Amino acid sequence: NAGVTQTPKFQVLKTGQSMTLQCAQDMNHEYMSWYRQDPGMGLRLIHYSVGAGITDQGEVPNGYNVSRSTTEDFPLRLLSAAPSQTSVYFCASTQTGTDSPLHFGNGTRLTVT
Amino acid sequence: AQSVAQPEDQVNVAEGNPLTVKCTYSVSGNPYLFWYVQYPNRGLQFLLKYITGDNLVKGSYGFEAEFNKSQTSFHLKKPSALVSDSALYFCAVRDPWYSSASKIIFGSGTRLSIRP
Repeated sequence: NAGVTQTPKFQVLKTGQSMTLQCAQDMNHEYMSWYRQDPGMGLRLIHYSVGAGITDQGEVPNGYNVSRSTTEDFPLRLLSAAPSQTSVYFCASTQTGTDSPLHFGNGTRLTVT
Repeated sequence: AQSVAQPEDQVNVAEGNPLTVKCTYSVSGNPYLFWYVQYPNRGLQFLLKYITGDNLVKGSYGFEAEFNKSQTSFHLKKPSALVSDSALYFCAVRDPWYSSASKIIFGSGTRLSIRP
């Protein structure tokens, strides 16, 4: 039972480079989301999705793009990385419209130099 | 818009003493409330939730939380702290009445430190 799988675990980018953080879940969850964790700022919601083909912005969406072509996958794209995007990124999923808790991936530590 | 606040960056408690980690929320309807814990260099784990019913909910590792609608609070508690409880704790809120697919918002986190 894999749960929520995030890749890569670590990544170093130079300013202006682009990359995609991958997230996959095998629990048939409709709701998927991306958070970033920064010291003193807690977990801030970047984007979320309630099903294939449906995405919406969270609290801090600028600089990030998402798409949801399948139920299983929810990639997060950084089009032009900036040092302010240095953070730990978590993907999480759950059922939509229920009281089920989020299932988290193990995180991706991203450094932008 | 929904929001959640954790007013304390850090809580320090002696082992064996009771602990409280505070959380207040703002939603348009009746909230779904959650507590998560993050141990050092690990992911986030679900502790407990309040959906409806009894205002005192029990969760993992001996933790419990008290829902207070009039004060819009959902404080995490434990009668007797252990050193192993030292971790980062997050409160989260979901407003199921705002839409059928409401987002889940987290607080800024509280670092709990238990001294032997």
